[in-house]
Amino acid sequence: EAGVTQSPTHLIKTRGQQVTLRCSPISGHTSVYWYQQALGLGLQFLLWYDEGEERNRGNFPPRFSGRQFPNYSSELNVNALELEDSALYLCASSSSGRAADTQYFGPGTRLTVL
Amino acid sequence: AQSVSQHNHHVILSEAASLELGCNYSYGGTVNLFWYVQYPGQHLQLLLKYFSGDPLVKGIKGFEAEFIKSKFSFNLRKPSVQWSDTAEYFCAVTLVSNDYKLSFGAGTTVTVRA
Repeated sequence: EAGVTQSPTHLIKTRGQQVTLRCSPISGHTSVYWYQQALGLGLQFLLWYDEGEERNRGNFPPRFSGRQFPNYSSELNVNALELEDSALYLCASSSSGRAADTQYFGPGTRLTVL
Repeated sequence: AQSVSQHNHHVILSEAASLELGCNYSYGGTVNLFWYVQYPGQHLQLLLKYFSGDPLVKGIKGFEAEFIKSKFSFNLRKPSVQWSDTAEYFCAVTLVSNDYKLSFGAGTTVTVRA
């Protein structure tokens, strides 16, 4: 069974640009979660999508947004990039949005903002 | 504020030593608790989880954790570590309510010397 996949693996952008990250969940999973892992800040919850709807978001500004498609894949968009957006962005999926469900993580996209 | 605390940033052990990593959370209410591990160059993966029942849970690779509700703790243990246990370990909590986001501790880097 294929795991969670993310693309691209690495990305370099400059301040003010926009970026789109992609995630494909494990087959059969309907919930997708996005996390930011910045140096020294640990893993911070960004967004949760389930059945195509945004269910929850973390304490991030509105320039972080995303969506989930009918096939349950997801995009994370970051507008007006700032230097502090440099981080590893992790996507996870679970079979549903229940709190006891295990979240399975992808390899991440490393974003560098110059 | 709700938080997850991991007491040790970096632990260095010799093979066959015992390991205990502390995790405390500050959430009120019913929680689900997880330990994730990230081996060098690999994805985050689940070690074990607790959501109800026996507070002593066993996970993969000989790890176990004990949920002590009165202490708001979920410490991870392994009686005898191996070099291959070198990794970063993350404690995580979800609150069993409408808010199903996973909140992570800062992580503990474990280095096992051969």
